[in-house]
Amino acid sequence: GAGVSQSPSNKVTEKGKDVELRCDPISGHTALYWYRQSLGQGLEFLIYFQGNSAPDKSGLPSDRFSAERTGGSVSTLTIQRTQQEDSAVYLCASGEGQSPYNEQFFGPGTRLTVL
Amino acid sequence: AQSVAQPEDQVNVAEGNPLTVKCTYSVSGNPYLFWYVQYPNRGLQFLLKYITGDNLVKGSYGFEAEFNKSQTSFHLKKPSALVSDSALYFCAVRDNSNYQLIWGAGTKLIIKP
Repeated sequence: GAGVSQSPSNKVTEKGKDVELRCDPISGHTALYWYRQSLGQGLEFLIYFQGNSAPDKSGLPSDRFSAERTGGSVSTLTIQRTQQEDSAVYLCASGEGQSPYNEQFFGPGTRLTVL
Repeated sequence: AQSVAQPEDQVNVAEGNPLTVKCTYSVSGNPYLFWYVQYPNRGLQFLLKYITGDNLVKGSYGFEAEFNKSQTSFHLKKPSALVSDSALYFCAVRDNSNYQLIWGAGTKLIIKP
C-alpha cells in the first residue's frame, strides 16, 4: 500500500517568507509526528498528533512554527517568517494507535533551504 | 534525563566482515528500543525493535540487535556486511509511559568492497 508522502520534496525560500509543508500519512494511522533533521544531526521532535486529542506541541522551537491536522489525516506544518536556521529536512512519520512500541513509518522528507 | 548515545559517528567495515553499530541508552522504566536506517536520498526505515522477551532480536535485511540490560546497550549487528548496507543508522528509545522517541545522533556505516 501507499506509504507516507510529503510535499514538496524541496523548497527554497527567502528569509522572512512563510512556508507550508504537507504530510499525507498512511491511511488508518492515528499517530502523526513531525521531526526536523539538520545536516549531520539526529532527529529533533517537533509535534505529535494522536487521533482527536490535543497535539503535543512541546518540540516546536518557536511561535513561528505551527501545525494542524485536518480530519485526522493530512497534516500541514507552517513556518512563518522563515530564518536561515530553519534550513533542514522536515520529516513526517505516522503510526498505528498510541502504543509506545509501535514503529513509525517515515515519509521521504521536505528539504527546506532558506536563503 | 533520558538519552541515547551512539558513540561512533562513522563505522568502516570491509564487505563480508561482521559489523557492529553501538547504542547505549538511559531511560526510566522498561525501555522500548528501535533501530532505523536511512539510505541516501530516502526516508527512514524501521529495522527492528526490542519490547520484551529474547535479548537477541532479528530484523530486516539480515540485521539483528542484542539487548543488554546490565550494560544498557542495544548494539546492531550483522554477520556479513554488504556494500548495500552503507547508510545512516539511528538508534531510538521510548519510555513505556511516553510516546516520544528519543533519538541517537546516528552512525554512518560505510561498507567497502
